[in-house]
Amino acid sequence: SQQGEEDPQALSIQEGENATMNCSYKTSINNLQWYRQNSGRGLVHLILIRSNEREKHSGRLRVTLDTSKKSSSLLITASRAADTASYFCATDSQGAQKLVFGQGTRLTINP
Amino acid sequence: GAGVSQSPSNKVTEKGKDVELRCDPISGHTALYWYRQSLGQGLEFLIYFQGNSAPDKSGLPSDRFSAERTGGSVSTLTIQRTQQEDSAVYLCASSPPRGVTYEQYFGPGTRLTVT
Repeated sequence: SQQGEEDPQALSIQEGENATMNCSYKTSINNLQWYRQNSGRGLVHLILIRSNEREKHSGRLRVTLDTSKKSSSLLITASRAADTASYFCATDSQGAQKLVFGQGTRLTINP
Repeated sequence: GAGVSQSPSNKVTEKGKDVELRCDPISGHTALYWYRQSLGQGLEFLIYFQGNSAPDKSGLPSDRFSAERTGGSVSTLTIQRTQQEDSAVYLCASSPPRGVTYEQYFGPGTRLTVT
């Protein structure tokens, strides 16, 4: 079964608005990662946040991690049409390099 | 440098036939992963290779699925006696040696259609 679960499953916003996606997981982790997937093909790594970090930034991306709630959020600021994609969170169990992916959030940015 | 490559990009096969899917990881990456993604769904873990260690096969859905990794590099995923429910995109990923980063680098995938 998938450990990470994203919500919402789908999100549609206007270009320029901010998009927030959430991820919940069940077991202790070493780190949590966010990936983007265009057109149902290969995934692209966006950002990794370690279990001892609470917030991380990369360009227009901001990720938070709350290990007490076993949840993370991905914020994309000033969204662009090119941000339209599916976004997945992925977690690793402590002691394992294997990642477990959630079902993803389908983000649509309307011009 | 070159990324992860997969071949073929698309494969259409008849039910009951065997198929082989190939993955070339990034040079120097010791870990290699196979995932399956059905339409509109998340990634389902299949199998994981790490260096010379025994592979983690815990995600293989049935004994019709097998994978090998030769020389610690190229990997082949084999599906025997394909069924229609095997239709999906099969994604391969690789990552650097353990302890450096757990970031995975994905190939473009092979879209398998079983008719």
